[in-house]
Amino acid sequence: GENVEQHPSTLSVQEGDSAVIKCTYSDSASNYFPWYKQELGKGPQLIIDIRSNVGEKKDQRIAVTLNKTAKHFSLHITETQPEDSAVYFCAAFAPLTFGGGTRVLVKP
Amino acid sequence: KAGVTQTPRYLIKTRGQQVTLSCSPISGHRSVSWYQQTPGQGLQFLFEYFSETQRNKGNFPGRFSGRQFSNSRSEMNVSTLELGDSALYLCASSLDGQLNQPQHFGDGTRLSIL
Repeated sequence: GENVEQHPSTLSVQEGDSAVIKCTYSDSASNYFPWYKQELGKGPQLIIDIRSNVGEKKDQRIAVTLNKTAKHFSLHITETQPEDSAVYFCAAFAPLTFGGGTRVLVKP
Repeated sequence: KAGVTQTPRYLIKTRGQQVTLSCSPISGHRSVSWYQQTPGQGLQFLFEYFSETQRNKGNFPGRFSGRQFSNSRSEMNVSTLELGDSALYLCASSLDGQLNQPQHFGDGTRLSIL
């Protein structure tokens, strides 16, 4: 089955800096890669996704890149704000297989 | 549009009991998936239902079962509860569960086993 690895497990950044989270997957058949943000006491919230026919996608301060040859994809958050503090999960489909999560702390 | 609704939010049970969790998907969504989230194992896929049929199943023992009703609402049942079943159980819905369909999660049911 699919195996998704996510790094780093924790990430501390200063407000205004950028944050980068990296994931690798094992199944070359996977072709849909969503990213989720989970805040305390809440379920995961979809923040951005990318399909295998696209190399990069951007939505305001969030961007995701995909390298299918190397089987890795990354989440980039620019101009981080305190409300970006949460746990972020990458995933590969199907079925949805999650990485171990990255706890992001944005220090004011 | 209302999101995915899970009930109850919190549940406390003792070993050996059984429990039923409920999930109401987003209106119009026909696929419902269940996940278990624990600090040690992370987010793990339990099973997926579509049109009242289990379409995919993760690697969990038979004590974990589910069903889906004609209105797409789903229930998950865990029998003979063990301490290790303590977890946050999440439900996610999508239009039809096919590739490239975003899954949207509820806020989960936190199950504690004493």
